[in-house]
Amino acid sequence: DAGVTQSPTHLIKTRGQQVTLRCSPKSGHDTVSWYQQALGQGPQFIFQYYEEEERQRGNFPDRFSGHQFPNYSSELNVNALLLGDSALYLCASSFRDRADGYTFGSGTRLTVV
Amino acid sequence: AQSVAQPEDQVNVAEGNPLTVKCTYSVSGNPYLFWYVQYPNRGLQFLLKYITGDNLVKGSYGFEAEFNKSQTSFHLKKPSALVSDSALYFCAVRDMGEYGNKLVFGAGTILRVKS
Repeated sequence: DAGVTQSPTHLIKTRGQQVTLRCSPKSGHDTVSWYQQALGQGPQFIFQYYEEEERQRGNFPDRFSGHQFPNYSSELNVNALLLGDSALYLCASSFRDRADGYTFGSGTRLTVV
Repeated sequence: AQSVAQPEDQVNVAEGNPLTVKCTYSVSGNPYLFWYVQYPNRGLQFLLKYITGDNLVKGSYGFEAEFNKSQTSFHLKKPSALVSDSALYFCAVRDMGEYGNKLVFGAGTILRVKS
């Protein structure tokens, strides 16, 4: 049973560029949440998708956007990258947004230079 | 807003000794509390959770946590530490919003177990 799959595992982008990160949820899960983990900090909630809609959003600018597809997979897009966007981006999936049932992926390490 | 605090940036313990990683919480209502572990260049791995019931929660890899309502604490414990337990540990609380749940994490505690 595959867990949460994120791609790519690492990438390097230049300031001002745009990036897309991808997440495939665990089998049977229909809700995807994205978190940003800056170096030395705990994960911070970015937003959550359920039924292909953004259901809730954390304190992140509009440069951060997302999408959920009919197969429940999700993308995180970041425009106009800043150096401060460098972080580990974690995807978590669950069934019906059950917080006690989150499964996290291994993350995508984004470095902005 | 719901929050958790991990007062120690780092905990050092000798292999074979008991370990405790501290977490305190601030919530309105009944708390849903979690512990996750993160190894280098890896995602978060679930260790255990407290929803309701017994104050002593048993989890993966021999870890347990004690929920203390009067002290608003949820400390992670293990009777005998292993070198392989060395990792970054996060305490988290469920924040139930109008449109869904999310987890609010502490800043993390580095656990170093020395042989």
